[in-house]
Amino acid sequence: GAVVSQHPSWVICKSGTSVKIECRSLDFQATTMFWYRQFPKQSLMLMATSNEGSKATYEQGVEKDKFLINHASLTLSTLTVTSAHPEDSSFYICSVPGRARGTDTQYFGPGTRLTVL
Amino acid sequence: GENVEQHPSTLSVQEGDSAVIKCTYSDSASNYFPWYKQELGKRPQLIIDIRSNVGEKKDQRIAVTLNKTAKHFSLHITETQPEDSAVYFCAASSNSGYALNFGKGTSLLVTP
Repeated sequence: GAVVSQHPSWVICKSGTSVKIECRSLDFQATTMFWYRQFPKQSLMLMATSNEGSKATYEQGVEKDKFLINHASLTLSTLTVTSAHPEDSSFYICSVPGRARGTDTQYFGPGTRLTVL
Repeated sequence: GENVEQHPSTLSVQEGDSAVIKCTYSDSASNYFPWYKQELGKRPQLIIDIRSNVGEKKDQRIAVTLNKTAKHFSLHITETQPEDSAVYFCAASSNSGYALNFGKGTSLLVTP
């Protein structure tokens, strides 16, 4: 069964609005989760690391004030795209490292397709 | 930071032939190298992975080889089938962060 869930699976919003995406680890607790972004026909790019109990760490070039990350609990991380614009339209995927299970495997969520009009 | 290069970007083979995709990495601290298959609009699916203390790993028609000295690893798919058509990504990570650094992907087309 699914190990990581994401909600919503797709969302369409107007430019200037904010969108929240949830990532849940269903089977085990996760002190760390990762957020990736994938533009059409491109690779997955790490945006940020979500840390339970501390601030998220962002990759170079990712605006922390635009992409707000909150690791609300040991099983939930949220990504809020604030004041979304068409260039933010992308596929957002979270992952949970399997360290808690003693494995190197990363468990990916099903992704969220964001379209900003 | 880690830089993962992947080649080729597109690969077309006939059904039954073999396909090889190659990746190089830059960070000598990287010690985990997974390969993913991604179909359009879906999450990446792990197909095989290898750790740096192993030189080769095989799972039925899929194999991965790793050359730590040269910092490159390769995916080998034998007896390809049309359902193998997808985009394949290599990735690398280390114990310092566990986040994955992905290659740019290879679009594999297997024609009947």
